[in-house]
Amino acid sequence: SQTIHQWPATLVQPVGSPLSLECTVEGTSNPNLYWYRQAAGRGLQLLFYSVGIGQISSEVPQNLSASRPQDRQFILSSKKLLLSDSGFYLCAWSVQGGIKNIQYFGAGTRLSVL
Amino acid sequence: AQTVTQSQPEMSVQEAETVTLSCTYDTSENNYYLFWYKQPPSRQMILVIRQEAYKQQNATENRFSVNFQKAAKSFSLKISDSQLGDTAMYFCAFSGTYKYIFGTGTRLKVLA
Repeated sequence: SQTIHQWPATLVQPVGSPLSLECTVEGTSNPNLYWYRQAAGRGLQLLFYSVGIGQISSEVPQNLSASRPQDRQFILSSKKLLLSDSGFYLCAWSVQGGIKNIQYFGAGTRLSVL
Repeated sequence: AQTVTQSQPEMSVQEAETVTLSCTYDTSENNYYLFWYKQPPSRQMILVIRQEAYKQQNATENRFSVNFQKAAKSFSLKISDSQLGDTAMYFCAFSGTYKYIFGTGTRLKVLA
């Protein structure tokens, strides 16, 4: 069966520090991968998605970047965190191709930038 | 542009009663999917139910059912016999040719 791992679960970082959140998927190959941010009391904002290794699409210009160094690994990074980067970050995957695909979510990372 | 709107930020329902969560969307596409996802306080987001736009029959999954009105671009979720474990944030989502879009969510609280 497929599983998605996302870590760390919580993170407290000072303003200006770097960030690296990691997401890995097991039990499937060539998945679509997604990073979302969920601000308190708000919906899900798609940040990045990837349809293959090295292929990253950015939905919102921001202080963050994403990379996909391996087929089932998706990394969210920042060189210098801002206060506004605080939030709940969710990684998700779906089967490649088509529009009917269900998204499967990781447990999320709570990021607090102080 | 596709949009998904959930106009009820918060709702509450008594245990064992029925509640309906609203969702409207806008698209010019004919072939798409609609979803309801549940995010309980533990935060793991999971799929509740899925509806294909070409299917006229409303999807059902146990106590969960949808009322899909394609012409009105409406996709509401009905939860029957509400249970305390249904307390969660519910997100409506649209999947089309180019976009996968979530609504802003409805926080549902089931009261004992």
